[in-house]
Amino acid sequence: NAGVTQTPKFRVLKTGQSMTLLCAQDMNHEYMYWYRQDPGMGLRLIHYSVGEGTTAKGEVPDGYNVSRLKKQNFLLGLESAAPSQTSVYFCASTNTLLETQYFGPGTRLLVL
Amino acid sequence: GQQLNQSPQSMFIQEGEDVSMNCTSSSIFNTWLWYKQDPGEGPVLLIALYKAGELTSNGRLTAQFGITRKDSFLNISASIPSDVGIYFCAGSRGGADGLTFGKGTHLIIQP
Repeated sequence: NAGVTQTPKFRVLKTGQSMTLLCAQDMNHEYMYWYRQDPGMGLRLIHYSVGEGTTAKGEVPDGYNVSRLKKQNFLLGLESAAPSQTSVYFCASTNTLLETQYFGPGTRLLVL
Repeated sequence: GQQLNQSPQSMFIQEGEDVSMNCTSSSIFNTWLWYKQDPGEGPVLLIALYKAGELTSNGRLTAQFGITRKDSFLNISASIPSDVGIYFCAGSRGGADGLTFGKGTHLIIQP
């Protein structure tokens, strides 16, 4: 049982490039989330999903897209990366809204 | 978007000392959570609080869900070197839209 895994662990992009971050969970959780963490800002919600095939916007969705084609996977896409998207990205999942969220180890993204 | 007011921002303490940190909000939450984050890792849950007034312990950690549902505190007794890290409070209203996080408290322990 690996819990929540994220790939890649680290990536450097040039402005305008695109990439996809993958989050996978093996706990059969319904709800999955993408957060970004910036210095002094805590974690902020980008997008979330309440089940396979569904997605919704969080607090800071601009510049990102997501997809949940399979229950265990939640993809975060950057179509045209900007330096402001340099951050650490965390994925989380939970089975019910009353339960706690479990976090992955993070993806560190640097956009030059 | 709202973030929780977490204080202090950082703490420099001696090993063996007790630690106290808190979070406040202008609106109520149904669940309060405390996470710890080590360098290069994701947040790991320490304590979850589900009921106003609830006091919960996990080893040397004790947390309380404020009676107004707008605040929570975390205490760590007899700190040890492995307590070093960033502690985050988080609140949930029970909706599907994730957690609201505080900005974190950096705990640094001097031997």
